[in-house]
Amino acid sequence: QSALTQPASVSGSPGQSITISCTGTSSDVGGYNYVSWYQQRPGKAPKLMIYEVNNRPSGVSNRFSGSKSGNTASLTISGLRAEDEADYYCSSYTSTSTLSYVFGTGTGVTVL
Amino acid sequence: QVQLQESGPGLVKPSGTLSLTCAVSGGSISSSNWWSWVRQPPGKGLEWIGEIYHSGSTNYNPSLKSRVTISVDKSKNQFSLKLSSVTAADTAVYYCARGLRGHWYFDLWGRGTLVTVSS
Repeated sequence: QSALTQPASVSGSPGQSITISCTGTSSDVGGYNYVSWYQQRPGKAPKLMIYEVNNRPSGVSNRFSGSKSGNTASLTISGLRAEDEADYYCSSYTSTSTLSYVFGTGTGVTVL
Repeated sequence: QVQLQESGPGLVKPSGTLSLTCAVSGGSISSSNWWSWVRQPPGKGLEWIGEIYHSGSTNYNPSLKSRVTISVDKSKNQFSLKLSSVTAADTAVYYCARGLRGHWYFDLWGRGTLVTVSS
């Protein structure tokens, strides 16, 4: 299956809000509320930030929020901080071919 | 708390078989979770490889299915990955991860292990 499409990079100044998009199809993002988002800092394992479109795990800042419209999901980071600089990946359940997961292409967030 | 730890050879020869194990500590592999392998080539994105339930049921990424075997050893509380006929394109950091049954996200990850395919 093809990877979900994300912008290669997004940047913002401290305190600003940024939004990262994740575009798929009706067989993944658009068809199910199983979109999740991961933060990955250099040399580290991914960390779950959002699950099932708009739910935050315990311990994740409420500055992170998720949403979905049609075949596109979004991650918004409000009140941007230097510590938010990382790569972000979306993921979705996909019903193409076989039951499985598909990841997004990844977005590098830069705090200016 | 539950932790995952990958282990295995860091270097595999082309055409050989990559073998990795993920040890689950602080919890039981027989809990209501699916256990996955995810990889990340250097400088690139994440790719899901496949998953296993403690019953032995598996799901694989269609693009890798012909070369992948994931197994579980409940007595050792661990699960394993075998990837055959490897090439340089299989060079990556390999992560094991936990997914909750009935959901489709990974709430726990291992630290990852780099496997290089080279002669």
